Amino acid sequence: DAGITQSPRHKVTETGTPVTLRCHQTENHRYMYWYRQDPGHGLRLIHYSYGVKDTDKGEVSDGYSVSRSKTEDFLLTLESATSSQTSVYFCAISRGQASTDTQYFGPGTRLTVL
Amino acid sequence: TQLLEQSPQFLSIQEGENLTVYCNSSSVFSSLQWYRQEPGEGPVLLVTVVTGGEVKKLKRLTFQFGDARKDSSLHITAAQPGDTGLYLCAGARSGNTPLVFGKGTRLSVIA
Repeated sequence: DAGITQSPRHKVTETGTPVTLRCHQTENHRYMYWYRQDPGHGLRLIHYSYGVKDTDKGEVSDGYSVSRSKTEDFLLTLESATSSQTSVYFCAISRGQASTDTQYFGPGTRLTVL
Repeated sequence: TQLLEQSPQFLSIQEGENLTVYCNSSSVFSSLQWYRQEPGEGPVLLVTVVTGGEVKKLKRLTFQFGDARKDSSLHITAAQPGDTGLYLCAGARSGNTPLVFGKGTRLSVIA
């Protein structure tokens, strides 16, 4: 157990509304990641963080923003949700000091945008 | 363009059969990780292979890293229903960039 929680676990929202997903870790690891997982596309990296206030884009960052004001929390925001953002979102951490280290995943958030 | 190609995409077999899934790339990786994901959960690491030609065994699962560190395979002997899940490979490239994940192989083992 890597001490990763995600909230909410399920959310249904309407197109155009803002949505924030939270990832919380209890072990103060440097690297944190947000992925989305869709059938036929696998896991795709949205954004990642390598420290407080240090973030970078992944391959599918359009329409998403992130913030990390504390080591333990990494927030993913959809400023104006669209139906194409319906997905399962996973947060992950790396326990080492490199972004290539083993990743440990949270339980996921299932988001439905109507 | 997918950096890591996994095949087959889907596999349905009977309990007791053997199977091999593949993870291929034209790029060189410093290491390759295999994860298994069960329905409703996040992926969980099975193994990391680091050296070209390396073979690692985890009970009935055998993992191999290609000599050129561009590909890997996972062989399961005498598959059991508990092996059912999505198997993902992930490659670590040079430089401090995040892992690259394949799309996965979805395995179903029928009792």
